[in-house]
Amino acid sequence: GAGVSQSPSNKVTEKGKDVELRCDPISGHTALYWYRQSLGQGLEFLIYFQGNSAPDKSGLPSDRFSAERTGGSVSTLTIQRTQQEDSAVYLCASSSSNSGNTIYFGEGSWLTVV
Amino acid sequence: GENVEQHPSTLSVQEGDSAVIKCTYSDSASNYFPWYKQELGKGPQLIIDIRSNVGEKKDQRIAVTLNKTAKHFSLHITETQPEDSAVYFCAATKQGAQKLVFGQGTRLTINP
Repeated sequence: GAGVSQSPSNKVTEKGKDVELRCDPISGHTALYWYRQSLGQGLEFLIYFQGNSAPDKSGLPSDRFSAERTGGSVSTLTIQRTQQEDSAVYLCASSSSNSGNTIYFGEGSWLTVV
Repeated sequence: GENVEQHPSTLSVQEGDSAVIKCTYSDSASNYFPWYKQELGKGPQLIIDIRSNVGEKKDQRIAVTLNKTAKHFSLHITETQPEDSAVYFCAATKQGAQKLVFGQGTRLTINP
């Protein structure tokens, strides 16, 4: 696609429920990132995928958070047993060495846990 | 690991004046420094970036300077316009598809 695509754009869920957020990176981009942005705050790194290498999961805040990337393209971020402090914008980004490793962001998935 | 500090957190300037936002980084191995603009309800958009082999880069009203010795870099916006109002983030990384470490952001307001 032309840009990084994320879905859903908005999600309201009840505390304790699981949610899945999807990211479709720019076609051909080998690197994929997830960041979290709480209201009025900066961007917090969550996880990074590069090709077939093991992902860098160092930013995941707890074991309720997980992510996978199937076939080196689409990624899903899963949050289990959501809590109110999980409310934030979840941003996906992708990059490629063919485009100078410039990192491009999607519009984000706005998650509200009530 | 890398740590990026950004100042000021808020900046208000008159339309037509210049705005400067400054960032410092801690890891001397970092060699790629992008700047992102984030408008309300949208994802961050890359506006300019600089690599460590140059000291300055310009794109129309926007320029970025890099001082590797002091480990700081700055964004300069000249002839500011109302549409420049947004939150700006600096970031640093070692290029090679490493994660970006972001500053805390600067909320820039252009007063007409």
